[in-house]
Amino acid sequence: EPEVTQTPSHQVTQMGQEVILRCVPISNHLYFYWYRQILGQKVEFLVSFYNNEISEKSEIFDDQFSVERPDGSNFTLKIRSTKLEDSAMYFCASNRQAPLISSGANVLTFGAGSRLTVL
Amino acid sequence: RKEVEQDPGPFNVPEGATVAFNCTYSNSASQSFFWYRQDCRKEPKLLMSVYSSGNEDGRFTAQLNRASQYISLLIRDSKLSDSATYLCVVNDRAGGYQKVTFGIGTKLQVIP
Repeated sequence: EPEVTQTPSHQVTQMGQEVILRCVPISNHLYFYWYRQILGQKVEFLVSFYNNEISEKSEIFDDQFSVERPDGSNFTLKIRSTKLEDSAMYFCASNRQAPLISSGANVLTFGAGSRLTVL
Repeated sequence: RKEVEQDPGPFNVPEGATVAFNCTYSNSASQSFFWYRQDCRKEPKLLMSVYSSGNEDGRFTAQLNRASQYISLLIRDSKLSDSATYLCVVNDRAGGYQKVTFGIGTKLQVIP
């Protein structure tokens, strides 16, 4: 079964350092997302990406965050200067769904997550 | 009002019991609805989509009530392996793109 893969599985970094989290979405998927989940809290939307540009972002996704699809397969999340409160599990997700059609194709498939610990 | 609201639980039930979770959503124009399951420190995984007519998958039944803006999940004959957090997920349109919102999740613990 196709899957979304994420690396690293766990990263520990010092406050103020830059972090890049990597994702390889499912190959025929067109829409890509980053979510985060602080321990014990709900899954929160960060950003969605389609056609090589951000389609939507949340208030969490401030200037410290950026996303990129540098080649045909990778989708990265960069945090420029990490803060303690950035410690969380970061999930990448993808789907095939065209945005205005409601169908089974809009089911999100998640990667296993990258746990970020900022010290 | 929260966009997607769930009782966080925990719901502690004995094996074999029937348990039901509800979820309410605030946007009456929401388009599609899902239940995801999340095991501790793992990624969310799709349990089932929720259709307007209601749908069943084995021991699991999902229902949608658009008038009252809630969805439900019923688990019959609970197994120990059903212990997890059940996430209510709602898709909306947002500027032409879909916006996916998660509830905080309802924790289920099935007890031997």
